[in-house]
Amino acid sequence: AQKVTQAQTEISVVEKEDVTLDCVYETRDTTYYLFWYKQPPSGELVFLIRRNSFDEQNEISGRYSWNFQKSTSSFNFTITASQVVDSAVYFCALPNSGYALNFGKGTSLLVTP
Amino acid sequence: GAGVSQSPSNKVTEKGKDVELRCDPISGHTALYWYRQSLGQGLEFLIYFQGNSAPDKSGLPSDRFSAERTGGSVSTLTIQRTQQEDSAVYLCASSSGRPRGGNTIYFGEGSWLTVV
Repeated sequence: AQKVTQAQTEISVVEKEDVTLDCVYETRDTTYYLFWYKQPPSGELVFLIRRNSFDEQNEISGRYSWNFQKSTSSFNFTITASQVVDSAVYFCALPNSGYALNFGKGTSLLVTP
Repeated sequence: GAGVSQSPSNKVTEKGKDVELRCDPISGHTALYWYRQSLGQGLEFLIYFQGNSAPDKSGLPSDRFSAERTGGSVSTLTIQRTQQEDSAVYLCASSSGRPRGGNTIYFGEGSWLTVV
């Protein structure tokens, strides 16, 4: 089955700390895509990144970086120098065998001043 | 706008009433999805439409839930005889193809449904 596990339910950090959100996945596919979404308090799910299993290079976008490791079936997300605006629920997702995305249960990140 | 549009943003209804939630996908997107997110819960897939193909209804929780998509564009999710456990955020999303093929799903802001 296509499954995503986000073991961290809630994380609380102080502004400017670095924080890593874990995502572990299970798939029978040899090639696949992985996704991260952010859900701020307003509720809208915002797409952050899509990754192809062919490409294991780390991805960096500003303060955000993603570490994809097929050997450990992980696709972790790091926020450097966190800010209050980073407070949100973050979801990792993997396509299922049909047409939709299977989401992890999400990690709620709280960044305090 | 260019994004997925949902209406109403908020809906409070009495138990037993029917409700309709509307979704207008991103222009040109052939795939449309409905997800549900209950308070403090993850995202639950409900239904998927792709072009003129038969929808994938495998996630609908009961026969009180139905959805249609007219003209390959706008979709309506209908909940009949609402129950309190139907209270949730209903998220609509669209994409240009399957995420399995690398296509990104884009979400609307959701319709917050409260059944009292």
